[in-house]
Amino acid sequence: KQEVTQIPAALSVPEGENLVLNCSFTDSAIYNLQWFRQDPGKGLTSLLLIQSSQREQTSGRLNASLDKSSGRSTLYIAASQPGDSATYLCAVEDGNKLVFGAGTILRVKS
Amino acid sequence: DAMVIQNPRYQVTQFGKPVTLSCSQTLNHNVMYWYQQKSSQAPKLLFHYYDKDFNNEADTPDNFQSRRPNTSFCFLDIRSPGLGDAAMYLCATSKATGETYEQYFGPGTRLTVT
Repeated sequence: KQEVTQIPAALSVPEGENLVLNCSFTDSAIYNLQWFRQDPGKGLTSLLLIQSSQREQTSGRLNASLDKSSGRSTLYIAASQPGDSATYLCAVEDGNKLVFGAGTILRVKS
Repeated sequence: DAMVIQNPRYQVTQFGKPVTLSCSQTLNHNVMYWYQQKSSQAPKLLFHYYDKDFNNEADTPDNFQSRRPNTSFCFLDIRSPGLGDAAMYLCATSKATGETYEQYFGPGTRLTVT
């Protein structure tokens, strides 16, 4: 059974700092991995999708990497801003459904 | 340009009183999903439709049912809500293309059970 773990559970950083969020999964036979953002009381916004054949994806200040063999992904956020404060969720596609981690709560202090 | 729409955004129901949550999409995606997310927890898949085919997760309680009358709409019915069913319910869609099922989520419905 696929299990997804995210570390750290919570992170607080000063504005402008670069940061890394970590995601690990137990079964490397995945089709893709998605990173989502969730603001309090809101739905999920897709940030990046990395297909199993890819190593990384970039969007603006965000860069996500995928190492299938070791079962790990990282989300790198450059020059963090207070508006980046949210919960970041990692999910792996297992068949045609997603298995989520519990998320990392990020707070960027101004 | 709302793509996945959920109604209502907030729903209050009484213990044991049936409730229906609605999801619609303008993406013409053939797969629709319902997730339950409790406070500070990961979203948990309840079931999904691949076209008209219904796929129930093994641990989804019988209290939860779903209907998909057409491509655009999908409903979540909770027959007898308990206090433990209070949660955020998220609807998502995807277009089955090869092996990739990128999912797009709606804003969610927050269910309170009194």
